[in-house]
Amino acid sequence: EVQLVESGGGLVQPGGSLRLSCAASGFTFSSYWMHWVRQAPGKGLVWVSRINSDGSSTSYADSVKGRFTISRDNAKNTLYLQMNSLRAEDTAVYYCARPPLSSGLSPFDYWGQGTLVTVSS
Amino acid sequence: DIQMTQSPSSLSASVGDRVTITCQASQDISNYLNWYQQKPGKAPKLLIYDASNLETGVPSRFSGSGSGTDFTFTISSLQPEDIATYYCQQYDNPPLTFGGGTKVEIK
Repeated sequence: EVQLVESGGGLVQPGGSLRLSCAASGFTFSSYWMHWVRQAPGKGLVWVSRINSDGSSTSYADSVKGRFTISRDNAKNTLYLQMNSLRAEDTAVYYCARPPLSSGLSPFDYWGQGTLVTVSS
Repeated sequence: DIQMTQSPSSLSASVGDRVTITCQASQDISNYLNWYQQKPGKAPKLLIYDASNLETGVPSRFSGSGSGTDFTFTISSLQPEDIATYYCQQYDNPPLTFGGGTKVEIK
């Protein structure tokens, strides 16, 4: 059974940092691209970042470019999102999501349960 | 970025009603359009991919159609368990973008 389990969320002050993790199981993690998608409280879904299967290629939404870094450890079956210089508008539930093997981009057929990041003083 | 305009933003319908949601892309996205269902406090769930393909295990009352810039998502007979917010998403051109969502309620 495919499972994606996020962790690392919490309360952080503006300007602070946080690292999210997404532990994957039930599939060959090293073969799949992975993505982060976020959702501010009461708002819609917003794509944040993606990484290819071996970690050599990454992409970011303009709103997080230069502040967030996506990475992965295929030996540990884990996806990461390092978030620096956090702002109030980064407050959201962060989901990791997996597209199918045939397409690195979409659709997202598996999602984690999400981890809440709150940026507030 | 490609803008995805979903309408309506909310709707109220009776059990058994046919429900239709539209999604318009700001430019041609061929059929690179997916539909997700999200229930409160839960992660989104893929229902329809590539505009009209039903994801495995999804009830056949859900369907999708369209290509280019105009897409439609339909629930043929609304059930109580369909209460959720529905999102369209394009993946023709990065960055991936979602519609604003349609909240479906029971009348």
